[in-house]
Amino acid sequence: GAGVSQSPRYKVAKRGQDVALRCDPISGHVSLFWYQQALGQGPEFLTYFQNEAQLDKSGLPSDRFFAERPEGSVSTLKIQRTQQEDSAVYLCASSLDRGGNTEAFFGQGTRLTVV
Amino acid sequence: AQRVTQPEKLLSVFKGAPVELKCNYSYSGSPELFWYVQYSRQRLQLLLRHISRESIKGFTADLNKGETSFHLKKPFAQEEDSAMYYCALSKRGTYKYIFGTGTRLKVLA
Repeated sequence: GAGVSQSPRYKVAKRGQDVALRCDPISGHVSLFWYQQALGQGPEFLTYFQNEAQLDKSGLPSDRFFAERPEGSVSTLKIQRTQQEDSAVYLCASSLDRGGNTEAFFGQGTRLTVV
Repeated sequence: AQRVTQPEKLLSVFKGAPVELKCNYSYSGSPELFWYVQYSRQRLQLLLRHISRESIKGFTADLNKGETSFHLKKPFAQEEDSAMYYCALSKRGTYKYIFGTGTRLKVLA
């Protein structure tokens, strides 16, 4: 594809349910990021991968959040035992190089609603 | 604390009028500053970054280290400029953005 692809676009989960959000970055992009955007707020950093290595997970709000990128391409953000405060748009972005010197391209996001 | 502040949630201007979207930041060190834009039903995309000193779609932004500001300006607004604009910073050479809360720009006919 031409850009970063995220699926599903929309997800409604019952409180306590586990969810998995998928990100397909641009082919060949080394860096991959996840952000969380609550309603009316700017995106907030969750975690960063360089190829398959998760180099920074300082933004993950709790141990219910887990991200992986096992083969250095597709990434999955998993949220266990979802709670209402997890409702947000989850954005994935990728960039070509390692150091943030090139543009980060964002996906369209997954809107998660926990009911 | 590292922070990006966009004081206006909504800015409405008439077509042809000048536009200034304000951005102030708090950061110890030398950050890199960016403006991202999100048009209706589209994804977030980079508009410009301060190190490139470009003018994109007629927009410019100058980093003022003394005032810790990176305001986005355009001399003559167009209807197609209506969008959500986010100011962001990162530590130079890194990947972790800190975003502001965004300003919705509406350009009225």
